[in-house]
Amino acid sequence: AQTVTQSQPEMSVQEAETVTLSCTYDTSENNYYLFWYKQPPSRQMILVIRQEAYKQQNATENRFSVNFQKAAKSFSLKISDSQLGDTAMYFCAFMKPPSSQGTYKYIFGTGTRLKVLA
Amino acid sequence: DSGVTQTPKHLITATGQRVTLRCSPRSGDLSVYWYQQSLDQGLQFLIQYYNGEERAKGNILERFSAQQFPDLHSELNLSSLELGDSALYFCASSPQTGGYNEQFFGPGTRLTVL
Repeated sequence: AQTVTQSQPEMSVQEAETVTLSCTYDTSENNYYLFWYKQPPSRQMILVIRQEAYKQQNATENRFSVNFQKAAKSFSLKISDSQLGDTAMYFCAFMKPPSSQGTYKYIFGTGTRLKVLA
Repeated sequence: DSGVTQTPKHLITATGQRVTLRCSPRSGDLSVYWYQQSLDQGLQFLIQYYNGEERAKGNILERFSAQQFPDLHSELNLSSLELGDSALYFCASSPQTGGYNEQFFGPGTRLTVL
């Protein structure tokens, strides 16, 4: 069964600094998608960045980038030039389309609470 | 604002009761997803509908059921409620089904079971 592990329950970073949130997953599948979602205090879930497993190039969205290591099953999120508005819960998510014997899978990690300090 | 609406925002009820949570997806989105977020278990995928049909099932209890109507709104029914069902219930929608599609989340319904 697929699992997603976020081993850092809480992290903090100084404003303007860089922070990396870790995520590992376990799957025997070859075709899947990985996402980072952000949940600020408002509780609204917002997509930060996504990566297709068959793409070797790491995804980048402005100050957010990922380090995707398929063989190691690792998908870390790097936030550069951290801003106060980045304070939120960050969830790593694994999504798999159906195979011949399965169905869609949507699995979220338990989250990392990030606090950006002024 | 994601364009996904959920009602009610808050719901307080007693054990053994039944409640219905409602979700309206973004205009044009055919897929609806339901998630449960409790304090100690993170975000759990419950069920997905695509254009009226069930497409994927996650950790949804037998006491829970859902459906998607012809106008594409969806309802999640929770019955024989227990204290442990207290959680934030999210609905999300996407244009197509699964995979690479970004899911747009609603603001959630906070359910408190007393």
